[in-house]
Amino acid sequence: AQRVTQPEKLLSVFKGAPVELKCNYSYSGSPELFWYVQYSRQRLQLLLRHISRESIKGFTADLNKGETSFHLKKPFAQEEDSAMYYCALSRGATNKLIFGTGTLLAVQP
Amino acid sequence: NAGVTQTPKFRVLKTGQSMTLLCAQDMNHEYMYWYRQDPGMGLRLIHYSVGEGTTAKGEVPDGYNVSRLKKQNFLLGLESAAPSQTSVYFCASSTSSYEQYFGPGTRLTVT
Repeated sequence: AQRVTQPEKLLSVFKGAPVELKCNYSYSGSPELFWYVQYSRQRLQLLLRHISRESIKGFTADLNKGETSFHLKKPFAQEEDSAMYYCALSRGATNKLIFGTGTLLAVQP
Repeated sequence: NAGVTQTPKFRVLKTGQSMTLLCAQDMNHEYMYWYRQDPGMGLRLIHYSVGEGTTAKGEVPDGYNVSRLKKQNFLLGLESAAPSQTSVYFCASSTSSYEQYFGPGTRLTVT
């Protein structure tokens, strides 16, 4: 079955600490994976996708096919990073997304 | 550009009432989607459309109908609302390049 798992509902860190938001997936084909973010009172927006292999707002994510993971990392958390983060898997040409249940990142001052 | 807009932003319905949620996009996107967001469950796909005049079922289509008569609009209908349909509904659109652009959401409560 196709599934995206985010094991942590809440991750609380102090400003300046490293952050790792976990995402594991199960998919029989070649996965296209994304991280979407929802800041308070804002709409859901794309943070990054694995095919672009870029760093956005200091965040990076590496696709590990062996471990079927796509963890989101940032070396030094900022208070403005506080938000809900969703990992998502795209299925096929119609770009239907399967979302994980989300992780709320709270960065404490 | 307004991007993706949703109407209404909030609505309260009584069980058995019907309503239509409107999604509009001005980016000339081919693909449009309706999701529902529930606590602890993330976003789940209700229905989607790959072009004007076409619709298809997603993961949780029961109790909902959709129409895409115009490319820029995607309507989600509830014929007989149930308390289980209390949720936040998000519309999104995309081209074939995978990034989906989301609307601000509609918060629906069914009593």
